[in-house]
Amino acid sequence: EAQVTQNPRYLITVTGKKLTVTCSQNMNHEYMSWYRQDPGLGLRQIYYSMNVEVTDKGDVPEGYKVSRKEKRNFPLILESPSPNQTSLYFCASTPLGPYNEQFFGPGTRLTVL
Amino acid sequence: KQEVTQIPAALSVPEGENLVLNCSFTDSAIYNLQWFRQDPGKGLTSLLLIQSSQREQTSGRLNASLDKSSGRSTLYIAASQPGDSATYLCAVSQVGANSKLTFGKGITLSVRP
Repeated sequence: EAQVTQNPRYLITVTGKKLTVTCSQNMNHEYMSWYRQDPGLGLRQIYYSMNVEVTDKGDVPEGYKVSRKEKRNFPLILESPSPNQTSLYFCASTPLGPYNEQFFGPGTRLTVL
Repeated sequence: KQEVTQIPAALSVPEGENLVLNCSFTDSAIYNLQWFRQDPGKGLTSLLLIQSSQREQTSGRLNASLDKSSGRSTLYIAASQPGDSATYLCAVSQVGANSKLTFGKGITLSVRP
């Protein structure tokens, strides 16, 4: 089954404790991205990657890092999480090119205390 | 800067009613528009994708239209059912913005039995 998976689905952590949210897709898509969803603000793009070893900032990249060492994986790294990073995070993938449908993962609900 | 608006934020209708959800965007230079469904605490499920050159797309009881020149899209749901209760989001892929999606804040639909 074609899908985007994320782990963990739920995470409660404390300020400053490094964490990684994994994202994997099995559709051989070149383009992957991360979004965060917050009440009243909607979904905003954090980082994106157009292919292996090619990443760039989205609209709200502060406090986040990403890497793209393999085509299928695009982990989101929070080196020193803060409470304002409490949010619902989504990973998405799509074939390269702007006309394609985008597929989203199930989301990761992160709470930073 | 592209802005996507969905009004109203919430809608409650009786079962069986045909309904229209509206989406407007400020910049008509788009590649496509995608409608998503989001159930509480869950991920985004793609419903329909309309390319900028298309006027409408249909899937089952759903029909989405696009008027690019006026910056508007509608999602028509025929014979609504309680199972249609969810949040519906529209998103546009804008020219020159890699494949980033700009989302509206969504319409939370409740279909009363």
